[in-house]
Amino acid sequence: SQQGEEDPQALSIQEGENATMNCSYKTSINNLQWYRQNSGRGLVHLILIRSNEREKHSGRLRVTLDTSKKSSSLLITASRAADTASYFCATASTGNQFYFGTGTSLTVIP
Amino acid sequence: KAGVTQTPRYLIKTRGQQVTLSCSPISGHRSVSWYQQTPGQGLQFLFEYFSETQRNKGNFPGRFSGRQFSNSRSEMNVSTLELGDSALYLCASSLIGALAGGFGELFFGEGSRLTVL
Repeated sequence: SQQGEEDPQALSIQEGENATMNCSYKTSINNLQWYRQNSGRGLVHLILIRSNEREKHSGRLRVTLDTSKKSSSLLITASRAADTASYFCATASTGNQFYFGTGTSLTVIP
Repeated sequence: KAGVTQTPRYLIKTRGQQVTLSCSPISGHRSVSWYQQTPGQGLQFLFEYFSETQRNKGNFPGRFSGRQFSNSRSEMNVSTLELGDSALYLCASSLIGALAGGFGELFFGEGSRLTVL
């Protein structure tokens, strides 16, 4: 299966701290995307990083990609209570299917 | 621009019944994909439709089926419901979907939460 795995499965931090979550995948990819899901809701796209990029920033988000290790990390800086959600990585190669990881559940304590 | 609309949001069925879920994509999006989400399993891909054609299908039994209409609206149907079909069913629309290396961003609806008793 090409499905990714996020690590850790759950993360709890204090407001203002940084949160880092990791994603590993199994096959070569063209890009990797990160999505956020608030409890019981739909997913929202956060950021896309191409396979030839090593790092990308968007506001308080920083994503890195290491294709040699088949892994990516998502860093949320200066976390807020509103960042409490589950975070998923999604990959697609040459097939017609996105593969989602199992998600990291982030809790930011006010 | 209206987002992705899924109906119904919640429904309760009993084993053996069938259910039809509906998804209206963002205007102009021709790709609609469906996912099943259960605790601990993450998002499992069901199928994707593009311009009324099923372009890809996940590893689900034939009880799960779908279709897409000429206006890009999509429906999925689950027949002979089982307890294990209880899940959040998510629909996602995209301009191009996973075609061409998956550079298409997915826009998700709020989901249809199905409970099978």
